[in-house]
Amino acid sequence: LAKTTQPISMDSYEGQEVNITCSHNNIATNDYITWYQQFPSQGPRFIIQGYKTKVTNEVASLFIPADRKSSTLSLPRVSLSDTAVYYCLVGEGGYNKLIFGAGTRLAVHP
Amino acid sequence: GAGVSQTPSNKVTEKGKYVELRCDPISGHTALYWYRQSLGQGPEFLIYFQGTGAADDSGLPNDRFFAVRPEGSVSTLKIQRTERGDSAVYLCASSLQGASEETQYFGPGTRLLVL
Repeated sequence: LAKTTQPISMDSYEGQEVNITCSHNNIATNDYITWYQQFPSQGPRFIIQGYKTKVTNEVASLFIPADRKSSTLSLPRVSLSDTAVYYCLVGEGGYNKLIFGAGTRLAVHP
Repeated sequence: GAGVSQTPSNKVTEKGKYVELRCDPISGHTALYWYRQSLGQGPEFLIYFQGTGAADDSGLPNDRFFAVRPEGSVSTLKIQRTERGDSAVYLCASSLQGASEETQYFGPGTRLLVL
């Protein structure tokens, strides 16, 4: 049973806001929700993490509803350099053993 | 400061050979993780170290795979009798203490190709 489910791919244009939603119906009480970004030939890079409500940093915002069964990563005004794979993860095991799905391939077009 | 580094960046070997992949975590990070990523897929957990000990090796696919971290810093992933199916990018990550809310910092990976 997959721990997280997210769209396989998305397309956007420069300057638009992109929202990627992830479902995690079986999230446990102690689990945090973390998003990573991966460019080709690089390791994943941390974007944002949250437990509940809304988290914002200089890169993105993360919206988590009260039931925590889903979360939405929001990227404001994307650029071509935001073209990457985005992974939604839910920590497991108390030591953050990351279980990656296939991720969402975001393509930003001029 | 320096991030996680991995060597070599690329490794080509022949089926049946032995390979070692090295990971240098961020200084002071006690938690170290190895993942494997096949083309088009997300990284797959292999093993987690807390200090010198392997706290969870449940992701190692079989007994040809082994990892060590003798002094609690550098780690080596060892693969015996390599098979073509072992071809993948091997990623290493570290975090400060391994707590569930901590960020894991990934290295660039070692791309292994078994011919």
